[in-house]
Amino acid sequence: GAGVSQSPSNKVTEKGKDVELRCDPISGHTALYWYRQSLGQGLEFLIYFQGNSAPDKSGLPSDRFSAERTGGSVSTLTIQRTQQEDSAVYLCASSLDRGGTEAFFGQGTRLTVV
Amino acid sequence: QKEVEQDPGPLSVPEGAIVSLNCTYSNSAFQYFMWYRQYSRKGPELLMYTYSSGNKEDGRFTAQVDKSSKYISLFIRDSQPSDSATYLCATLNQGGKLIFGQGTELSVKP
Repeated sequence: GAGVSQSPSNKVTEKGKDVELRCDPISGHTALYWYRQSLGQGLEFLIYFQGNSAPDKSGLPSDRFSAERTGGSVSTLTIQRTQQEDSAVYLCASSLDRGGTEAFFGQGTRLTVV
Repeated sequence: QKEVEQDPGPLSVPEGAIVSLNCTYSNSAFQYFMWYRQYSRKGPELLMYTYSSGNKEDGRFTAQVDKSSKYISLFIRDSQPSDSATYLCATLNQGGKLIFGQGTELSVKP
C-alpha cells in the first residue's frame, strides 16, 4: 500500500478481554515502531523491530503487552487482560532502515477499555 | 531526566506571526533530529530532519540544531491557521530508537 495501515481504527473492549492491533508497514521498510499516545500526551515508545527481531522492547509497560512481526512485514501488538489505563491511541510507524530518520506513521488504533 | 524535553504549551499566535518551537535533549551522542506535525486525530507526519548542527530550510519552515547547548528549534514564518497542530521534536538513539518530546500544541488565530 501507499502508506502505513493500522487496523482496526477504533476498538472498544471490556476490561479483562484480550485485543490484537495490526500494523501493515510500507512495503520494503525494515524498521517498525509501536508507540502509545494517551490524551494530550506525547508518544510513549513501546517496541521497535528491525526485520523480525526486536532489538528494543524496553517500552512495553507490562507482561500483558507483547508484539511480533512476521515475514519482515505485518506486526501485531497484543494486549492481554486489558485494563482501563490501557485506553489510548496506539500508533505504528515504519522506516526504510534502522536509521528511522524518515519514519511514516499510520493513523493509529484508538483503544477504549470499558 | 527525560531524553528529550519539550514545552507542551499550548501556544497561541496571530496569523502571520513567526513561531518558535524548541526542545532540549540530554545525550550529546544524538546526531539526527526530526520535527513531526500531528493534526488532531491523525498520525504524526515528518516535516523535516537535520543531521548534527546547523540549519535546514524548507519553505516557511526552518529547523535549527545547536549541539553545544543540546537545543533544537523549529521556526515557522508567516504562520497560517492551517499550521495549527501539535509539533513533536524527535531524535534517534544509537540503537535506532526514535525518541519523542511531549509535543507543543500550536494554535494560529486568523
